[in-house]
Amino acid sequence: DTAVSQTPKYLVTQMGNDKSIKCEQNLGHDTMYWYKQDSKKFLKIMFSYNNKELIINETVPNRFSPKSPDKAHLNLHINSLELGDSAVYFCASSLHRRGRLIAEAFFGQGTRLTVV
Amino acid sequence: KQEVTQIPAALSVPEGENLVLNCSFTDSAIYNLQWFRQDPGKGLTSLLLIQSSQREQTSGRLNASLDKSSGRSTLYIAASQPGDSATYLCAVNTNAGKSTFGDGTTLTVKP
Repeated sequence: DTAVSQTPKYLVTQMGNDKSIKCEQNLGHDTMYWYKQDSKKFLKIMFSYNNKELIINETVPNRFSPKSPDKAHLNLHINSLELGDSAVYFCASSLHRRGRLIAEAFFGQGTRLTVV
Repeated sequence: KQEVTQIPAALSVPEGENLVLNCSFTDSAIYNLQWFRQDPGKGLTSLLLIQSSQREQTSGRLNASLDKSSGRSTLYIAASQPGDSATYLCAVNTNAGKSTFGDGTTLTVKP
C-alpha cells in the first residue's frame, strides 16, 4: 500500500564506494524527484524526472546520476562516495497534466546514507 | 532565486495552546504552497496544500493561510496536543513541481 517506497532505508558504506538507492511509486504519477536533507534538516531538490525525462537538475556533483527506467521508478546512483554525501535522501512523486502540476507531492520515508 | 524562511526555528508550548507557525518566501510567483510534518527519523507527511489562488485551507485542527502578494503563509494549530510534536516544513512549488523548502520549525508540545 506504500505510495512512494525507497530502498534501502539505511545505508552505511565506506568512502569511495558506489551505491544505489531505489525508488518506486504506485500512484500513477508522472513526475518523480530526489531531495537531499542535510544534518541541519534542510531539504533541497536534486533532480526531477517527468515521464522518464530529466526536467530539473540542480547543482549536484556529477557523481550523482539518476536513472528512470520507467515513470514509476527513479533510482539514484552515487559514485565515489564522499563523507559529505552523508544525509537523508528523499524520493517524491507528483502528477502533472499538460505541463501543469495538478496533485501535491508525496514523499518516501527517506534513505539515511552514512559514509564512513 | 526562491528563498523560504520559517520562524520560529523552535517552539515549545504547553498542551492545549493555540499556536502559529510562519513561513515567508521571496518570489511570489508560486504555483502552490504545501505544509509538511516530519517526525524524527521519518519521512514527510503532507498536511495541507494551498493553491496560489486560494487564501486558506483547513484540515481538522490545522488551518493554513496564504498571502501570495506579501510572500507569507501561516500554519495555525488549534488546541495543541503532545502528538503534534514534530518538525513542520513549508514548501513553495513552481508549476514544474520544483519545491523549495524552508528550514522548518521544531514544535514541542508538553503534556
